[in-house]
Amino acid sequence: AQKVTQAQTEISVVEKEDVTLDCVYETRDTTYYLFWYKQPPSGELVFLIRRNSFDEQNEISGRYSWNFQKSTSSFNFTITASQVVDSAVYFCALPSESSYKLIFGSGTRLLVRP
Amino acid sequence: EAQVTQNPRYLITVTGKKLTVTCSQNMNHEYMSWYRQDPGLGLRQIYYSMNVEVTDKGDVPEGYKVSRKEKRNFPLILESPSPNQTSLYFCASSFEGNDSPLHFGNGTRLTVT
Repeated sequence: AQKVTQAQTEISVVEKEDVTLDCVYETRDTTYYLFWYKQPPSGELVFLIRRNSFDEQNEISGRYSWNFQKSTSSFNFTITASQVVDSAVYFCALPSESSYKLIFGSGTRLLVRP
Repeated sequence: EAQVTQNPRYLITVTGKKLTVTCSQNMNHEYMSWYRQDPGLGLRQIYYSMNVEVTDKGDVPEGYKVSRKEKRNFPLILESPSPNQTSLYFCASSFEGNDSPLHFGNGTRLTVT
């Protein structure tokens, strides 16, 4: 069965620290996409990134970077030099094999303290 | 601006009083979907639509109805709301289903008393 596991329920860091959010997934698909979404305190869900399982190169976007490793079924998200505005719940997600929906992890709440 | 618009943002109602949450997208997306988010249960899909007049049940469709008469609109209807439908609801759309990024509306926080 498909599954997305975000084992870190909550992480608290001080501003300017680097932080990594873990995501481990299970799927029988041989090709698939993976996603990260952000839910800030205001409540909306914001798309951050989509990666194809063919491409294991790290992706960097400003202070954000993503490390995809097919061998360990992980798709981790690192924020470098964290800022208070990064405080949010972050969700990792995987498309369902059998239906038209995303399977979301339970989310990691990140608190960045000034 | 490309967006998914949900209304209302907040709604408090009483048990049994029919309500509709509207959802509209301006990106010409084929796929639209409704999710609810509850503490401890995460995000769960209610219904989805692959195109006009094509809708299908998600994981938790009981007590909800949807329609897709136009490509841009995908309203969520609660014919007889109950307290267990108190939740945060999100409408989402994407270009073509699972592999495309989902664009979410701002959410509707519904309280049924």
